[in-house]
Amino acid sequence: ETGVTQTPRHLVMGMTNKKSLKCEQHLGHNAMYWYKQSAKKPLELMFVYNFKEQTENNSVPSRFSPECPNSSHLFLHLHTLQPEDSALYLCASSHRLGQVNTEAFFGQGTRLTVV
Amino acid sequence: SQQGEEDPQALSIQEGENATMNCSYKTSINNLQWYRQNSGRGLVHLILIRSNEREKHSGRLRVTLDTSKKSSSLLITASRAADTASYFCATDNAGNMLTFGGGTRLMVKP
Repeated sequence: ETGVTQTPRHLVMGMTNKKSLKCEQHLGHNAMYWYKQSAKKPLELMFVYNFKEQTENNSVPSRFSPECPNSSHLFLHLHTLQPEDSALYLCASSHRLGQVNTEAFFGQGTRLTVV
Repeated sequence: SQQGEEDPQALSIQEGENATMNCSYKTSINNLQWYRQNSGRGLVHLILIRSNEREKHSGRLRVTLDTSKKSSSLLITASRAADTASYFCATDNAGNMLTFGGGTRLMVKP
């Protein structure tokens, strides 16, 4: 248990569906991240939030829409996805951006399959 | 962009043997971190080594860092079957904007 909880753990959705991934952390952190992990590829940083403000959008397609209503919660809204978007989506948190020499805490991930 | 690259991509050893994984990176860093991932699960932080440190130990883990060569190694001594997992290095060069490598898949056979 890392203190970062992701739901759901598994999700199968059609290309025309709309779904959301949820991440919650109970660590008092102020930075939260979405990563995408595809088979045989390095982890790809998608979005970064620091004190609820988005600071990084790593050229992610608009069919992925993040939302950070407060420092403890992070969502990833999905719509009209493609089969190549199937992957493990990982949420992480850390104290805050700019604080060096601290680690990131990861959730267990959501395994997304787009059919 | 990928900062760290692990070598080898896959490693298979017998229980009790030592496992060594290497990581190379391209730009200057504040620190380098190693994470472990069991199949299909989240990543778990193992150890952090700062740019001004050369070696660090944590239990059966030993990490070295050579900033002149932009490389790091992770040594797991006296491996156990439970050490079977993927291991990733991550570099921090901008205060927690971690960039991960492709990982080393370690299999420890009982």
